Amino acid sequence: TQLLEQSPQFLSIQEGENLTVYCNSSSVFSSLQWYRQEPGEGPVLLVTVVTGGEVKKLKRLTFQFGDARKDSSLHITAAQPGDTGLYLCAVRSNTGNQFYFGTGTSLTVIP
Amino acid sequence: DAGITQSPRHKVTETGTPVTLRCHQTENHRYMYWYRQDPGHGLRLIHYSYGVKDTDKGEVSDGYSVSRSKTEDFLLTLESATSSQTSVYFCAISESWVAGNEQFFGPGTRLTVL
Repeated sequence: TQLLEQSPQFLSIQEGENLTVYCNSSSVFSSLQWYRQEPGEGPVLLVTVVTGGEVKKLKRLTFQFGDARKDSSLHITAAQPGDTGLYLCAVRSNTGNQFYFGTGTSLTVIP
Repeated sequence: DAGITQSPRHKVTETGTPVTLRCHQTENHRYMYWYRQDPGHGLRLIHYSYGVKDTDKGEVSDGYSVSRSKTEDFLLTLESATSSQTSVYFCAISESWVAGNEQFFGPGTRLTVL
């Protein structure tokens, strides 16, 4: 059973479209991170959200942490081919020294 | 970019052979991690280190051991490789253990066990 469920698993869209991907859990976390991974490389941190209801913007990317700190969303406006990659959410366990990643959303933006 | 290298980058081995993967950092970060990435499972923590000679198990530690004799090096050993250990292995480092602290990842090692 995955601690973090991400949806959709795969997403293929045309350049210029908007999209939202989700990261859900039944557990509460003190913070949540989003990473992007390009093929053949390791993940790179995009953002950390720490407060319930928090919204952070990174250019065309908007990240939101759920009010109850159990879920998060990533919205991309006017997607570009450079946004193509695997988007991963990640948390540290509240009960132990473990880090958990979601299974990821693989995004392809078609020119 | 954080200075993290992994070696080898690719390896093909046979079932039952020992394999050691190396992670080397030039950032002097205290914490180091080994993950494996498999389709449908995402990244899963194998072992981590919180200092020289200080290590602990992660979510999927069975069949793996680690060692850290120097701040800059973290070794992952498969004592007797099995086909289920075919995966992409990532090393990561961080300055702090605080939740929300950024982890910097290496480029990965693709291991195939035949």
